[in-house]
Amino acid sequence: SQQGEEDPQALSIQEGENATMNCSYKTSINNLQWYRQNSGRGLVHLILIRSNEREKHSGRLRVTLDTSKKSSSLLITASRAADTASYFCATDSMDSNYQLIWGAGTKLIIKP
Amino acid sequence: NAGVTQTPKFQVLKTGQSMTLQCAQDMNHEYMSWYRQDPGMGLRLIHYSVGAGITDQGEVPNGYNVSRSTTEDFPLRLLSAAPSQTSVYFCASSYSYTSGGTYEQYFGPGTRLTVT
Repeated sequence: SQQGEEDPQALSIQEGENATMNCSYKTSINNLQWYRQNSGRGLVHLILIRSNEREKHSGRLRVTLDTSKKSSSLLITASRAADTASYFCATDSMDSNYQLIWGAGTKLIIKP
Repeated sequence: NAGVTQTPKFQVLKTGQSMTLQCAQDMNHEYMSWYRQDPGMGLRLIHYSVGAGITDQGEVPNGYNVSRSTTEDFPLRLLSAAPSQTSVYFCASSYSYTSGGTYEQYFGPGTRLTVT
């Protein structure tokens, strides 16, 4: 069962523009994590945000969490061709016995 | 550190064959897990382990077995391969979760399995 659902499923933007991806989930969570997956590769951790946090930054990445709306967003500023990848959110909760439940991902394409 | 390693990278099996996917990590992580990734879907948890000698089922355990005899290794066994098991398999490791939730997961490069 999928807890997180990313929106949009696919996003294509010009290099230099900002990219925003959203993740919605169904139950109360402990933590929400974002990962990147380049084509044919394993997933790489980007940011972990805890349920009592509202915003976190890491370089050009900004993640927000709104627990009242059960949603999170990932903003990539000043996008680069190397940001082309799929992005996944994953949540853990007591309901999932602390196991990560994953969304289907957003496929981001950065056009040069 | 090599991180999380998986072998083989690619495998083709015939229906009914069995095989073992290998996973090893050198970060002394207590928690290890196996996922499968199918097109258009997120990762689905097959089995996980919170330490040597301890394993548990995830969301889609049928047709797979695991064991954890050492902290470093967590092999996944396909007992009798079926076409529905055609997928990309990822192994991941992390510090073990607490009541505060999970930690950053480190992923292997994946094994692409085709069952004909």
